[in-house]
Amino acid sequence: NAGVTQTPKFRILKIGQSMTLQCAQDMNHNYMYWYRQDPGMGLKLIYYSVGAGITDKGEVPNGYNVSRSTTEDFPLRLELAAPSQTSVYFCASRLGQGMGYGYTFGSGTRLTVV
Amino acid sequence: GENVEQHPSTLSVQEGDSAVIKCTYSDSASNYFPWYKQELGKRPQLIIDIRSNVGEKKDQRIAVTLNKTAKHFSLHITETQPEDSAVYFCAAYYNTDKLIFGTGTRLQVFP
Repeated sequence: NAGVTQTPKFRILKIGQSMTLQCAQDMNHNYMYWYRQDPGMGLKLIYYSVGAGITDKGEVPNGYNVSRSTTEDFPLRLELAAPSQTSVYFCASRLGQGMGYGYTFGSGTRLTVV
Repeated sequence: GENVEQHPSTLSVQEGDSAVIKCTYSDSASNYFPWYKQELGKRPQLIIDIRSNVGEKKDQRIAVTLNKTAKHFSLHITETQPEDSAVYFCAAYYNTDKLIFGTGTRLQVFP
């Protein structure tokens, strides 16, 4: 198992550009999440999904969109990049609902918007 | 609202001393509380967790305690070593769907 795979690892965007951050997991996990981590700060939930075809907003969804057409993939879309979106983005997944199902994190995507 | 407060934000200890990090959650329905360790430039890694039906859990030098009445939980690291230096995050489940993280504690262990 590869676990949770994120691509790209690094990216520099110009203000107003768009991009998609890719996240894939091969563990047949139902739940998937996108967090952002600003320098020296904690993890803020952007969007999450409890299964294919179902997505929901987290704490900081503005400026982002997601889709979940398959169990394996959960891409995060930035439409009009802004400097405030400079951050490290972590994708995570877990098996299902209930206690004891901890997260598996991807290795992160470091995004800089200039 | 959904909130997890974590203190202190930074903690410096001498090698061999103990370190304690404290968190408070707001939703009395939260039932699972993991702790993550994040080394510089790396992803968060789960180090220990506790469920709401347990008051304390220990794994070698690491222990976590939970006070459901006060909605507090704490991480205790004994006999600290330089390799314990990292940022530690507490978290709590809300609505059993998502983890809300604390703001993190930067632990520095000096030799």
